[in-house]
Amino acid sequence: SQTIHQWPATLVQPVGSPLSLECTVEGTSNPNLYWYRQAAGRGLQLLFYSVGIGQISSEVPQNLSASRPQDRQFILSSKKLLLSDSGFYLCAWSIGNEQFFGPGTRLTVL
Amino acid sequence: GESVGLHLPTLSVQEGDNSIINCAYSNSASDYFIWYKQESGKGPQFIIDIRSNMDKRQGQRVTVLLNKTVKHLSLQIAATQPGDSAVYFCAENSGGSNYKLTFGKGTLLTVNP
Repeated sequence: SQTIHQWPATLVQPVGSPLSLECTVEGTSNPNLYWYRQAAGRGLQLLFYSVGIGQISSEVPQNLSASRPQDRQFILSSKKLLLSDSGFYLCAWSIGNEQFFGPGTRLTVL
Repeated sequence: GESVGLHLPTLSVQEGDNSIINCAYSNSASDYFIWYKQESGKGPQFIIDIRSNMDKRQGQRVTVLLNKTVKHLSLQIAATQPGDSAVYFCAENSGGSNYKLTFGKGTLLTVNP
C-alpha cells in the first residue's frame, strides 16, 4: 500500500531563517506530487506541483521554492522566511484524479 | 476566474440527524469532483468522488449528488456521528494530465451529542 510522509510535524522558525520541508511517498512510482498551504480556518492553496523528477510548476509567486531530486521525494524550501509564510503545509500525491495527502507540517514564523 | 465555493461555512447538527453540505462550482469543463474530510491538525482524507457523467454516487453513510445544470455539488451524511465533526472540502478537476484540483473554502461540521 502507498504511504506519504512529511517532516517535521511542527516547526517554529524566526523571520529570515531558511526552511526545508520534506515529503516522501512509498509504494508507488512516478506520482504527481503537490505542495499546498493552508492558513488557519481557510482552504487549500496549491503552491507547487511536479509531474516528474526535476519538473516543478509554480502556481503562485511567493517566497518559497520546490525541488524534486528523486521520484518520490518532494522538498519545499525558502532562503528567508517571512511572517506570512506561517501555515499548515500539506504534501499530496496522485496517479489519477484522486490526491492523497500527508499528515502536514505546522510552520510558525516568529 | 473559475472557482469552487461553498454556500455554508459552518453547519451544526444533532447526533443521528442527516447532514447536507453544499458546494457550487463555476467551471463547466470540470469532469471530476471529490469530497475530502479534514480533522483538526490532520491532512484531508478522501471521502467520495463522482464523475461528471453521473449525478449520484453512494458510499457508506455518504452520498454525493451532482447537478451539472446549476453547477452544484452536495455531500449527504446519514445518521451523523460525533466522529463526523470536521471541515469538509469539495474539489474539482478541470482536466489535464497534471490532475490539478481546485478546492473550495470548506465547511465546518459540528455534531452535537
